[in-house]
Amino acid sequence: NAGVMQNPRHLVRRRGQEARLRCSPMKGHSHVYWYRQLPEEGLKFMVYLQKENIIDESGMPKERFSAEFPKEGPSILRIQQVVRGDSAAYFCASSPPGTPSYNEQFFGPGTRLTVL
Amino acid sequence: GQQVMQIPQYQHVQEGEDFTTYCNSSTTLSNIQWYKQRPGGHPVFLIQLVKSGEVKKQKRLTFQFGEAKKNSSLHITATQTTDVGTYFCAGNYGGATNKLIFGTGTLLAVQP
Repeated sequence: NAGVMQNPRHLVRRRGQEARLRCSPMKGHSHVYWYRQLPEEGLKFMVYLQKENIIDESGMPKERFSAEFPKEGPSILRIQQVVRGDSAAYFCASSPPGTPSYNEQFFGPGTRLTVL
Repeated sequence: GQQVMQIPQYQHVQEGEDFTTYCNSSTTLSNIQWYKQRPGGHPVFLIQLVKSGEVKKQKRLTFQFGEAKKNSSLHITATQTTDVGTYFCAGNYGGATNKLIFGTGTLLAVQP
């Protein structure tokens, strides 16, 4: 059973470009979470999605950031018009169906975004 | 707001010494989870504590959840070089969302 997969692992963008980060949850998992980790800091929650639904986006910046988890395919975190402050590691996690608050979250290897 | 504080930020020990990191939440938690992250790696789940006063052990690691479900600790006995990494607690406040509020982490360095 493959773990959570993220791609690309490393992404370099110039200021003003768009960044698309992909996450495939573990097989059978229907809950996906995105977290951001700035250098030397802890992880900050961004968004929690289930298939075709955004459940909690309280950690998402109001502008330029969006996330989706379509019926088919991976979850996508999209950052438009990137700025240097967006440089960070973006981790996706997934958990199985059921009572979400009691489920362990399995983390992917992350995408390291560098904005030049 | 919901906040999780963690201390110390950094701990340097000699191999064989013990290590403890502490977590404190501003409000009562539904449960608390602990993760380990190696440099350049991703968080790896260690354990989840749910019940008030719960204590769980994994070999040399002992995890505790406070009676008020607002604080937690991780204690490592006789550290080894393989224990190196950053240990994060992550609070879950329940409800419809399953978001984790991560502590700031404790970076453990072990000198052989």
